[in-house]
Amino acid sequence: RKEVEQDPGPFNVPEGATVAFNCTYSNSASQSFFWYRQDCRKEPKLLMSVYSSGNEDGRFTAQLNRASQYISLLIRDSKLSDSATYLCVVNSYSGYSTLTFGKGTMLLVSP
Amino acid sequence: NAGVTQTPKFRVLKTGQSMTLLCAQDMNHEYMYWYRQDPGMGLRLIHYSVGEGTTAKGEVPDGYNVSRLKKQNFLLGLESAAPSQTSVYFCASSYRSPVQETQYFGPGTRLLVL
Repeated sequence: RKEVEQDPGPFNVPEGATVAFNCTYSNSASQSFFWYRQDCRKEPKLLMSVYSSGNEDGRFTAQLNRASQYISLLIRDSKLSDSATYLCVVNSYSGYSTLTFGKGTMLLVSP
Repeated sequence: NAGVTQTPKFRVLKTGQSMTLLCAQDMNHEYMYWYRQDPGMGLRLIHYSVGEGTTAKGEVPDGYNVSRLKKQNFLLGLESAAPSQTSVYFCASSYRSPVQETQYFGPGTRLLVL
């Protein structure tokens, strides 16, 4: 079983739509969770951390379900500029704590 | 403030050639990382460093070596390049453990091995 699994998409949505991505992780000992955003041919950038109680940043809401080992990202009122690949990221331990990245979910927002 | 920079941006190598990729950060970060990103594979950790003079293996270290002689620089070496090493290489850094601090990425190096 892969450590971090995501639906690769693409998710095609019109502007203004609400879209949700899910991600599952295999290591029940993982403690930290993140969503990164990667634009085409660019480097990944942190979008938001994911906290146990859930958290919101403007149009973006992240949720964590430890019992089922999945993380979600909800984007409301999609903008053209939201078109990107969204990477689910989980910490892992191999001597020192490092990050394990999912393969990403591609979002395409159309006019 | 340049953040994380990578040199070169793009390189073509022939099988068996060697090269060094340079990563530099000006944020006084302790932790530095080298990843490779391939289509359908996502980002995979090659090597990382938790401080000057220290390095450790990541998920896919074979065929690569690294050095961290100065805190601000992290070098990735390919001694004998193979076509399987064709990839986009990203360097990243964080002040402390990535689970406590944001990890900042460089713009990437695109490497083609023929």
